[in-house]
Amino acid sequence: DADVTQTPRNRITKTGKRIMLECSQTKGHDRMYWYRQDPGLGLRLIYYSFDVKDINKGEISDGYSVSRQAQAKFSLSLESAIPNQTALYFCATSDSLKGLSYNEQFFGPGTRLTVL
Amino acid sequence: AQSVTQLDSQVPVFEEAPVELRCNYSSSVSVYLFWYVQYPNQGLQLLLKYLSGSTLVKGINGFEAEFNKSQTSFHLRKPSVHISDTAEYFCAVITGRVDKIIFGKGTRLHILP
Repeated sequence: DADVTQTPRNRITKTGKRIMLECSQTKGHDRMYWYRQDPGLGLRLIYYSFDVKDINKGEISDGYSVSRQAQAKFSLSLESAIPNQTALYFCATSDSLKGLSYNEQFFGPGTRLTVL
Repeated sequence: AQSVTQLDSQVPVFEEAPVELRCNYSSSVSVYLFWYVQYPNQGLQLLLKYLSGSTLVKGINGFEAEFNKSQTSFHLRKPSVHISDTAEYFCAVITGRVDKIIFGKGTRLHILP
């Protein structure tokens, strides 16, 4: 079974709709991240959470919100979807408990979102 | 501010030929450098990383990269590519205390028969 799962894997929605993307992990990591990937732009950080009570904006947080329901779950919401939010969305996790100053991130398989 | 530049958006190469994917970074502090690979319709997975020590880093699937501090580069190489190496490759950097990775825009590797 995958360590980092994302649901749904694909979603088509209409402008103005509220959408929630969910991420779950069984790695026991405390840190979780949401990225979006657009062709030619690489990955850009939307939000990140270092633990359940610590949530931070990334470089492109406008139009998005997140909820860290538990250490293992981190959901991303689009309150009112717009077409330029059409992208591939990735969740990632990392472990701060190893005492290292860097932490490798482990990625989920992605959610392809299309906003019409 | 730190940044990562991948100089080529696409690299075509014949099967069994060598390949180099270029990555340059800018940072005024110590960095940790990574290469991630994304196979078609999959998430990213770590190919290799440089944290400290030897500047030549070996990763999975026969890839290696060399950290060059004076040139602020971390180019990825493989001496002989295979069709299964078809993927998009992302260079990434972490600086400072916070482990927010900054990704390059990616390089698509096309393996020609």
